[in-house]
Amino acid sequence: SQTIHQWPATLVQPVGSPLSLECTVEGTSNPNLYWYRQAAGRGLQLLFYSVGIGQISSEVPQNLSASRPQDRQFILSSKKLLLSDSGFYLCAWSVRAGTYEQYFGPGTRLTVT
Amino acid sequence: GNSVTQMEGPVTLSEEAFLTINCTYTATGYPSLFWYVQYPGEGLQLLLKATKADDKGSNKGFEATYRKETTSFHLEKGSVQVSDSAVYFCALRTNTGFQKLVFGTGTRLLVSP
Repeated sequence: SQTIHQWPATLVQPVGSPLSLECTVEGTSNPNLYWYRQAAGRGLQLLFYSVGIGQISSEVPQNLSASRPQDRQFILSSKKLLLSDSGFYLCAWSVRAGTYEQYFGPGTRLTVT
Repeated sequence: GNSVTQMEGPVTLSEEAFLTINCTYTATGYPSLFWYVQYPGEGLQLLLKATKADDKGSNKGFEATYRKETTSFHLEKGSVQVSDSAVYFCALRTNTGFQKLVFGTGTRLLVSP
C-alpha cells in the first residue's frame, strides 16, 4: 500500500531563517506531487505541483520554492521566512491517470516567530 | 474560473442529529467532486467522491449526490457521532488542463454528546 511521510511534524523558526520541509511517498511510482498551505481558519491553497523529477509548477508567487530531486521526494524551501509563512503545510500525491484522487500526508505545523 | 463555496461554520450538533453541509461549485465542463475530512492536527482524508452527474458518493454513513442542475454536492449524514467532529472540505477536480483540486474553505463540525 502507499504511504506518504512529512517531516518535521512541527517547526518553530525565527523570521529571516531558512526553511526545508520534506515529503516522501512510498509504494507508488511516477506520482504527481503537491504542496498546499492551510492558514489558520482558512482553506487550502495550492502552492506547487510536480509531474516529474525536476518539473515544478508554481501556483502562487511568493518567497517559497519547491524541488523534486527524486521521483518520490518533494521538498519545500525558503531562503528567508516571513511571519506570513506560518501555517499548516500539507503534501499530497496522486496517480498520473485515472480519477486523480489526492492523498495527503500528516502535515507540518510551521510557526514563524 | 473554477471555485467551490461551502457554508460557513462551525456547525454545532448534538449526537444522533441529522447533518447537512452545503457545497456549491462553479466550473467549466463536468468536474469530479470530492469531500475530504480533516481531524484535529492531521492531514486530509478522502471521504467520498462522485465523478458524473447524479452519482452518489457514500462512505462511513456520509452521502453526497452530484447535482448538475443546481451545481451542488451537499454532504449528509443521518446520525452524527462525537467522533465525526472535524473540518470538512468540498473540492472539485477540473477536467481541462492540469487536473488539480480546487478546495472550498472548509466547514467545522462540532458534535456534542
